This record gives sequence, C-alpha cells and structure tokens, in this order.
Amino acid sequence: DAGITQSPRHKVTETGTPVTLRCHQTENHRYMYWYRQDPGHGLRLIHYSYGVKDTDKGEVSDGYSVSRSKTEDFLLTLESATSSQTSVYFCAIGQRAYGYTFGSGTRLTVV
Amino acid sequence: AQTVTQSQPEMSVQEAETVTLSCTYDTSESNYYLFWYKQPPSRQMILVIRQEAYKQQNATENRFSVNFQKAAKSFSLKISDSQLGDTAMYFCASQNAGGTSYGKLTFGQGTILTVHP
Repeated sequence: DAGITQSPRHKVTETGTPVTLRCHQTENHRYMYWYRQDPGHGLRLIHYSYGVKDTDKGEVSDGYSVSRSKTEDFLLTLESATSSQTSVYFCAIGQRAYGYTFGSGTRLTVV
Repeated sequence: AQTVTQSQPEMSVQEAETVTLSCTYDTSESNYYLFWYKQPPSRQMILVIRQEAYKQQNATENRFSVNFQKAAKSFSLKISDSQLGDTAMYFCASQNAGGTSYGKLTFGQGTILTVHP
C-alpha cells in the first residue's frame, strides 16, 4: 500500500548481530503495530505504538525493542538476532473498527 | 484475552464453485469487530470483509459473505463463484471495540485456499 512502506524487503543476518527494521507511513495515523508471521501461528503482535514515544509490548515482545521518535516512523530492533527470530515481519497502521493497512513485509533470515 | 481459531489448515475448490472457510473466536467483550484478510503469494495483506458484532446482519462484499453466529462465536467466510485469483492464505481476526487494547488485532492461524481450474 502506498501509505505505508517497510524496509528492507529481505534481509539475511548472522546470529548475534543487531537488526533494525523500518516502517514509514504517510497517513498520519496515531497507531502503529509490528507483527511477525510464522507458519501455524498466523500473525502475532510484537509491539505497538499509540503516539510519538508511546509504545507498549505485545504477546511476543521478548528479544525486540521499538522506537517512535516521529509520527511517521516506527522502528523494530532485534538487539541480538537469534534463529528463532527468522520470520516475516509486518508493520501496520490503523484505527479500531476499520482494520489495518499493512506494509509489504520484511522477510528476515537469521543464519 | 482474545483467541481466534481456524481449524482448516488447507482447503481446495474448483473454479466457479463455492467454498466456506471456518473461524471461531473467544472474547469476553460484548462489542467487537471481526475481519477476514487475504494474503496472496505476493505476501500483501488485503482486507476482504469486516463485521461489527452488534450488527446482526451478515456482511457481504461482492462474492464474499460471512455467516456470523454470535452465540456460537463463529465467523465463517463464504466465497461464491471461486476464481483462480482467490488462491491465497486467508486469516480470520478479531478486535475489541473498547478498553485499552488500542485496536489490536488478534489473528487465527490461517487457511490456505487453492482454487483449481
């Protein structure tokens, strides 16, 4: 979707290295979300943000941190990547009742 | 906490036929929203249809319709006149209408639908 972009689209990294994924939106949405998608689990919430510098944990937040210094940018950081964090990561924006708009996802492989 | 369950990991249908994907959910909230998302091989997540729990009428969007059974906490998706482009992973999701959940979506595990020519 044109209103939300994720970078990079693909990334391969080594175990133990830090990794940062970026989400950028042009819709001025207050709420932003990071999800991971794994087979058999669907999408699970990692962290979310309800405003600049306002973030909170989701159901699978261990090993991840986030930052939001501007309305348009929401960063997801893996402090020290592990193989269990190999996944597809989605950023989303949206308000209650109308569903989310998703980015195109980042496929992260930790080797 | 909300939970969403999709018990059919994979389904297949012939082109032009009708298929129904199942979804059950659990929530303690009295008001909430339900969604079906489609994820084609491109990986993009696309909203297919949404239902407001306080509305008894089942939502319809062209060839897509839902059967919403609130008492049974069931929310199935019916696809009529299936097309090859309907081949995708389908996710059911729920969202509380109030409280402090900031609009978080809870997803099911997904159902892979294959439409055969």
